[in-house]
Amino acid sequence: QVQLQESGPGLVKPSETLSLTCAVSAASIGGFYWSWIRQPPGKGLEWIAYVSGRGGTNYNPSLKSRVTMSIDTSKNQFSLNLGSLTAADTAVYYCARCGEDCYTIDFWGQGTQVTVSS
Amino acid sequence: QSALTQPASVSGSPGQSITISCTGTSSDVGGHNFVSWYQQYPDKAPKLMIYDVTNRPSGVSDRFSGSKSGNTASLTISGLQSEDEADYYCSSYTTSSTHVFGSGTKVTFL
Repeated sequence: QVQLQESGPGLVKPSETLSLTCAVSAASIGGFYWSWIRQPPGKGLEWIAYVSGRGGTNYNPSLKSRVTMSIDTSKNQFSLNLGSLTAADTAVYYCARCGEDCYTIDFWGQGTQVTVSS
Repeated sequence: QSALTQPASVSGSPGQSITISCTGTSSDVGGHNFVSWYQQYPDKAPKLMIYDVTNRPSGVSDRFSGSKSGNTASLTISGLQSEDEADYYCSSYTTSSTHVFGSGTKVTFL
């Protein structure tokens, strides 16, 4: 069964850029779509973006100006960059698999807490 | 894109059936048959319970079922059990090839 593990800084300063990486095991990253989702404390889930195994991307319109996703098939991992951070970006960030056509987000990582604070 | 609308909470007695609604628009829930439902326990990652409106992944209890009518999807939990107390989120693929989640519903026992 596919496993996903997020890594990145737990604390970042306002106005800086957050960089997160998701390592994928037990699955070839090239044959699927992969996604990032976040959850602010005590709130609901928000879809951020997805990337295909070939590098095609799509972003949440409300975050599009600040987000970049990329994929590295040689390392079987994908990444998220989110710029111009504010306290509102404080959340648990999940990476997940989005299936062959990305109609369903099926397998999730355990999540990583990111706090934006000076 | 706006979050799909779910009731904040739904309660039921052990053994009862409950239904959670998820209302969107013709650009999301009504535009595709790609609605999913997730179960989330506190401080845990969401777990896929229903996909493509009605399908259950392997290992998910058949007490969970999904349906859709127009712009509203529904999740029904029959024979409510203690382990069903959790937060539930719907999600839909959109006509813009993005994803949108529901606002979330907390299921509790009466």
